[in-house]
Amino acid sequence: DVKVTQSSRYLVKRTGEKVFLECVQDMDHENMFWYRQDPGLGLRLIYFSYDVKMKEKGDIPEGYSVSREKKERFSLILESASTNQTSMYLCASRTGANTGELFFGEGSRLTVL
Amino acid sequence: GQQLNQSPQSMFIQEGEDVSMNCTSSSIFNTWLWYKQEPGEGPVLLIALYKAGELTSNGRLTAQFGITRKDSFLNISASIPSDVGIYFCAGLIAGGTSYGKLTFGQGTILTVHP
Repeated sequence: DVKVTQSSRYLVKRTGEKVFLECVQDMDHENMFWYRQDPGLGLRLIYFSYDVKMKEKGDIPEGYSVSREKKERFSLILESASTNQTSMYLCASRTGANTGELFFGEGSRLTVL
Repeated sequence: GQQLNQSPQSMFIQEGEDVSMNCTSSSIFNTWLWYKQEPGEGPVLLIALYKAGELTSNGRLTAQFGITRKDSFLNISASIPSDVGIYFCAGLIAGGTSYGKLTFGQGTILTVHP
């Protein structure tokens, strides 16, 4: 079974702190994604990566950056957390560019005080 | 970016009832997909549709890819308590500058009363 593991299920941070959200997949997938989930807004794409060291902005990249140094790991970074970044963050991976089947992690719920 | 309009936003139904939800877009998609997210979990793919007009079933679930390629619906027959969750539609545009980008709807929250 494909396994996508997010490092933290729950985090509480203070405004201005730097936040790292880590994601690891074990199926050698090329593409990895970070989504943000908010009630009534569905899943919104923050960043995606189609290969190691490659990244593309999604629909809401402002305030976020990403890192993909190894194929299995995709990190989301909040350089200076703000209260409007309180949300559920979902990492996902897939085998290739033109398949719609994403495999999601369990999510990381971030609260910024 | 593209937007998908999913309705209804939420449904409260009795066990045994049928459920219907749909998704519309101003854009054409190559593939329509339906995901389910159970409490405390990430979304999981239920059904994928690849051709306009395609009707596909997965157990009690039936989904259709609209003829115009701008809409899709999902039906659940004879609902049971474990159908509870958030259902998301998603549209995929393959290739081009969007590089297989998936766009998600806002989600339908389904509650089933025993």
